[in-house]
Amino acid sequence: DAGVIQSPRHEVTEMGQEVTLRCKPISGHDYLFWYRQTMMRGLELLIYFNNNVPIDDSGMPEDRFSAKMPNASFSTLKIQPSEPRDSAVYFCASSLTTRREQFFGPGTRLTVL
Amino acid sequence: AQSVAQPEDQVNVAEGNPLTVKCTYSVSGNPYLFWYVQYPNRGLQFLLKYITGDNLVKGSYGFEAEFNKSQTSFHLKKPSALVSDSALYFCAVREEEYSSASKIIFGSGTRLSIRP
Repeated sequence: DAGVIQSPRHEVTEMGQEVTLRCKPISGHDYLFWYRQTMMRGLELLIYFNNNVPIDDSGMPEDRFSAKMPNASFSTLKIQPSEPRDSAVYFCASSLTTRREQFFGPGTRLTVL
Repeated sequence: AQSVAQPEDQVNVAEGNPLTVKCTYSVSGNPYLFWYVQYPNRGLQFLLKYITGDNLVKGSYGFEAEFNKSQTSFHLKKPSALVSDSALYFCAVREEEYSSASKIIFGSGTRLSIRP
């Protein structure tokens, strides 16, 4: 298996633009997680899905952030409109269950100018 | 509510010496505990976990961790450090509960620096 795949790896955009981050989890994993990592705030869980259904989105910063999982092999995290404070590395991870280890993708480094 | 703490932002060790990265946790019931490592510009990688059984857990790259229930700790250890162990280490915890709503909580991370 290729592991968790994220695209793009780097994204530079201007304030106010829409940003869409993409993730393909490991096949067979029922759980998918979106994290944000910054120097100031460390690693934050934004939202996670179980069998394509959002379970906990309490970490989503505000209404500008939304996430979807239309099927078992694809998820998106969208920011609209983007702001400079959204600049961070965004990770997607997947796992078989929440009792098992998570496998992280390489991350998307987002810079909002 | 569950929580996890990594009291040291940075740990510095000479190559060949033993290393310890500390982690303490708080949960209502029994914990599931994990250690992850992050190398520069990479995602987190799983190192080891404690679910039940032996308190000493062995993992990847020669790392091990000791679960101490009375001290609510899960310190990461290695007998002899390598320069290549230099990275950011995260401890994580989740409660053992029979609910799909349970989630894993990550610590703030400890930067391990091994000097030659």
